[in-house]
Amino acid sequence: ELQLVQSGGGLVQPGGSLRLSCEASDFTVSNNYMNWVRQAPGKGLEWVSVIYADGTTYYTDSVKGRFTISRDNSKNTLYLQMNSLRVEDTAVYYCARDRSLVDQYGMDVWGQGTTVTVSS
Amino acid sequence: QSVLTQPPSASATPGQRVTISCSGSGSDIGGNAVYWYQQLPGMAPKLLIYKNNNRASRVPDRFSGSKSGTSASLAISGLRSEDEADYYCAIWNDSLTGHVVFGGGTKVTVL
Repeated sequence: ELQLVQSGGGLVQPGGSLRLSCEASDFTVSNNYMNWVRQAPGKGLEWVSVIYADGTTYYTDSVKGRFTISRDNSKNTLYLQMNSLRVEDTAVYYCARDRSLVDQYGMDVWGQGTTVTVSS
Repeated sequence: QSVLTQPPSASATPGQRVTISCSGSGSDIGGNAVYWYQQLPGMAPKLLIYKNNNRASRVPDRFSGSKSGTSASLAISGLRSEDEADYYCAIWNDSLTGHVVFGGGTKVTVL
């Protein structure tokens, strides 16, 4: 079964760091476009970052220079390293496989989400 | 504030039809495929519609998508209680700063 299982997250003070993980089953992370999407409490979905199959990465402006998307092919796992965290980064973070640029199928596999709370 | 504008809420009684709009411009909706995602309370989003008007795998045919010019819409016919959720339109556009852009979301309430 196609699946993404997330881990990481938690409570961190402003300025701190966290790493989120997203392990894939039944498909290969490195062969796909993979996104991180977040949702602040009571708010809508916000795209955060993408890593292309060729390793190219992009970020939304508010996290550039602070967040890094990466993958470990041996573990078939996607990561989001989050540094210099701010209160406004508080959200549920989702990883998702994206087929939009492959066959325009969209984000068809989503992780269950993991909560990041930035607070003193 | 998203470049894709959705009404914050919509409602209808069971069995009725509800339509959600997603308005943009020529540089976003006008030139790109539109996707629709359903987010049930407390759950991860789920792909409903891809490439404007195609239902994703195992999505009931009560859900339909359309696009015309710079607007798109999602229609739910034969509304059921389990359809109560938030619905988001989205586009992928690598010419924008945000490569994936979501609409603000519409909360559908089944009365």
